Amino acid sequence: DIQMTQSPSTLSASVGDRVTITCRASQRISTWLAWYQQKPGKPPKLLIYKASSLETGVPSRFSGSGSGTEFTLTISSLLPDDFATYYCQEYDSSWTFGQGTKVEIK
Amino acid sequence: EVQLLESGGGLVQPGGSLRLSCAASGFTFSTYAMSWVRQGPGKGLEWVSTLSPRDDTTYYAHSVKGRFTISRDNSRNTLNLQMDKLRAEDTAVYYCAKAKSRGFILGGTIFDSWGPGTLVTVSS
Repeated sequence: DIQMTQSPSTLSASVGDRVTITCRASQRISTWLAWYQQKPGKPPKLLIYKASSLETGVPSRFSGSGSGTEFTLTISSLLPDDFATYYCQEYDSSWTFGQGTKVEIK
Repeated sequence: EVQLLESGGGLVQPGGSLRLSCAASGFTFSTYAMSWVRQGPGKGLEWVSTLSPRDDTTYYAHSVKGRFTISRDNSRNTLNLQMDKLRAEDTAVYYCAKAKSRGFILGGTIFDSWGPGTLVTVSS
């Protein structure tokens, strides 16, 4: 089974910061990688799919990159609405999630 | 507008059974793969099961295989999850999710719409 490892687990940042979250797959998954944002008490929201494709309606400050086993989610300039938990998910052979990265206010 | 609404959650004793349903609207239900994903209290997301739209091929996480059964009723636009032999570690909010595109490819199917979730608590 593919394992997905995100880093860091928690990230403290300020409004306006550039933020980068990393996701590593235990085996190559091409670009079958998605990123979700989740806020407390809400379902996840799809941000990025196929590693770098922006979901409709998602602001352009969000971007994704990578292929194979290493992927990144970048928020170019953090807004108050962006403080949330972010998950990567592979969908190459199954649908395994990373453990999540909580972006909190510094 | 796509709408998904889960129901059927509640409190059940260890070893018991529960059947979750997800009512879908706003899209041609029969042509999309559907999934269940859960989230334990204070924990991350865990994929549970996926059902293809045409041949009803099913996929399960190791943690639920042999205990949970996913199914769909295309005439009622409903996705179901029969959960048997429940354990304390099955306690979670259960979300249903719709595939982003019609059809199904293992390796290429992602889920873009989610319901609000239903809480399942397994406890004596």
